[in-house]
Amino acid sequence: SAVISQKPSRDICQRGTSLTIQCQVDSQVTMMFWYRQQPGQSLTLIATANQGSEATYESGFVIDKFPISRPNLTFSTLTVSNMSPEDSSIYLCSVDLGGRSTQYFGPGTRLTVL
Amino acid sequence: AQTVTQSQPEMSVQEAETVTLSCTYDTSESDYYLFWYKQPPSRQMILVIRQEAYKQQNATENRFSVNFQKAAKSFSLKISDSQLGDAAMYFCAYRSAKTDKLIFGTGTRLQVFP
Repeated sequence: SAVISQKPSRDICQRGTSLTIQCQVDSQVTMMFWYRQQPGQSLTLIATANQGSEATYESGFVIDKFPISRPNLTFSTLTVSNMSPEDSSIYLCSVDLGGRSTQYFGPGTRLTVL
Repeated sequence: AQTVTQSQPEMSVQEAETVTLSCTYDTSESDYYLFWYKQPPSRQMILVIRQEAYKQQNATENRFSVNFQKAAKSFSLKISDSQLGDAAMYFCAYRSAKTDKLIFGTGTRLQVFP
């Protein structure tokens, strides 16, 4: 199975600032996904990122707040912009692997906004 | 829209015993996939088991097995010979074959007592 890494693993940020989270996979994948997990909650899909095209955002998430880049088949970034305490969450990336319609997840980034 | 319901916020089991976690879902689609993921305190989402809707046979992975009842839209997870390391949040998830979106239930926290 592939290795999925995320950077940073955690961060504490001031409100009004932005943080960029990186997701790296050690094999080429078509689709990458970004999720948010608010404290004590389940996972919610933010957007789907395909290489070479604009990310597709879910209802309630907008590109100005969560810009995503997908420069190649092994890498993606999610930026959380103009942060507020409500953005404090775990952010996870996932990828489809093995052609079996199964998503595998990175270790997550725990973000705290003060 | 598809929904996933986990009606047990918390469950507990004695080490070496068997426990069953419940999951129901709602969909009008005929082609889909169902998953159980485990999230220990490390926050990493770990795939436990996967089931294709077109397969009647219940999936098994070592001590983990599912009871998939397609007509009833039920997908329960049975953990046999429970171990301390099984303690975690367990999320049931639905993936549409049409949209590739993964929809999560609210999770069940499993405690394992020695």
